[in-house]
Amino acid sequence: GENVEQHPSTLSVQEGDSAVIKCTYSDSASNYFPWYKQELGKRPQLIIDIRSNVGEKKDQRIAVTLNKTAKHFSLHITETQPEDSAVYFCAAADSGGYNKLIFGAGTRLAVHP
Amino acid sequence: EAQVTQNPRYLITVTGKKLTVTCSQNMNHEYMSWYRQDPGLGLRQIYYSMNVEVTDKGDVPEGYKVSRKEKRNFPLILESPSPNQTSLYFCASSFRDSYNEQFFGPGTRLTVL
Repeated sequence: GENVEQHPSTLSVQEGDSAVIKCTYSDSASNYFPWYKQELGKRPQLIIDIRSNVGEKKDQRIAVTLNKTAKHFSLHITETQPEDSAVYFCAAADSGGYNKLIFGAGTRLAVHP
Repeated sequence: EAQVTQNPRYLITVTGKKLTVTCSQNMNHEYMSWYRQDPGLGLRQIYYSMNVEVTDKGDVPEGYKVSRKEKRNFPLILESPSPNQTSLYFCASSFRDSYNEQFFGPGTRLTVL
């Protein structure tokens, strides 16, 4: 089945800097890759997703890139703000009709003013 | 208001005492799933359901049961809880399948003594 690895586990940046979180997946047939943000004590919420027929997707300060050949995808946050501080999870939708969603272990991002 | 609700939000119980965590959504979503969140392990899928009376195992189903008798409800049952099931549990729902945005409930923090 699918396996998703996420790095780094913690990331500390200064306000205004960029942050990059990377994930690798094992199942080359996976075709949907969402990113969720979880603020302290809250539920995870989708911030951006990408499907395998697209190489890059952008939404204001957030972008996701997908490299199907290398089986990795990345979240890019530009001009970070303190409210970006949270745990970020990547995920991959397992293929083969099983409809599982496999999450990475998470990255705790701290943005310092 | 579109939402996913879970009850109870907090529960402390003892080993072996059967419990049920309820999950309900009002968005007419077909896909529902349960996750557990543990430090350093991210979100791991326990069970998922594609529709009424259609359920399947996720990555960590041992010790759990589910049922889907109605489209809106997806209860999680621990027939004989053990301390290693102490965790934060999230229910989630989405339109049609795992390839769409997952809407998470507020979470249930379970402690098994």
